[in-house]
Amino acid sequence: QKEVEQNSGPLSVPEGAIASLNCTYSDRGSQSFFWYRQYSGKSPELIMFIYSNGDKEDGRFTAQLNKASQYVSLLIRDSQPSDSATYLCAVNIDQTGANNLFFGTGTRLTVIP
Amino acid sequence: ETGVTQSPTHLIKTRGQQVTLRCSSQSGHNTVSWYQQALGQGPQFIFQYYREEENGRGNFPPRFSGLQFPNYSSELNVNALELDDSALYLCASSEIADYEQYFGPGTRLTVT
Repeated sequence: QKEVEQNSGPLSVPEGAIASLNCTYSDRGSQSFFWYRQYSGKSPELIMFIYSNGDKEDGRFTAQLNKASQYVSLLIRDSQPSDSATYLCAVNIDQTGANNLFFGTGTRLTVIP
Repeated sequence: ETGVTQSPTHLIKTRGQQVTLRCSSQSGHNTVSWYQQALGQGPQFIFQYYREEENGRGNFPPRFSGLQFPNYSSELNVNALELDDSALYLCASSEIADYEQYFGPGTRLTVT
């Protein structure tokens, strides 16, 4: 079982809709959860992080964490064509003594104008 | 822009050669982590440097090595390059006490 799993997509939503991206993780000891956005040919950009159960909102983005279910999600409200990118879920798993991140393979989102 | 810089942007090497990639961390950050991202995959942790010492390592062979300098900048060295080493190499900087990591633009390495 992979440490972090995401549906690879592609996920297509119309402009203005809510995009819902999901991620599950295997290590119950994980404490920190991140969403990165990666445009084609570019490096990942940190857009949200969440440490506690529940919801965390930042503008059009909401991260949701459920540690009991080992599940983290990202909602993008009022989706825009500029949101079209690959979204990477990352989890901090302190197996090596370092603050390193385990990434999923990413979900490709396309917002259709 | 994160303030993390990497050089070079692109690099083409031949199998068996050695390569050095460079990273300057964001101002105020004392920790540098290196990741390898193969096409269509998420980044994979190579190692992390803090206070000029390796502070954790992922599942990569010893031919992947690194350095951190007093100004917190870092190098990734890869010896005996293999075709599978072709990837985007990402450097991320952070504070040791924080979990948030900020990536540089990456170096695209092609091994032929």
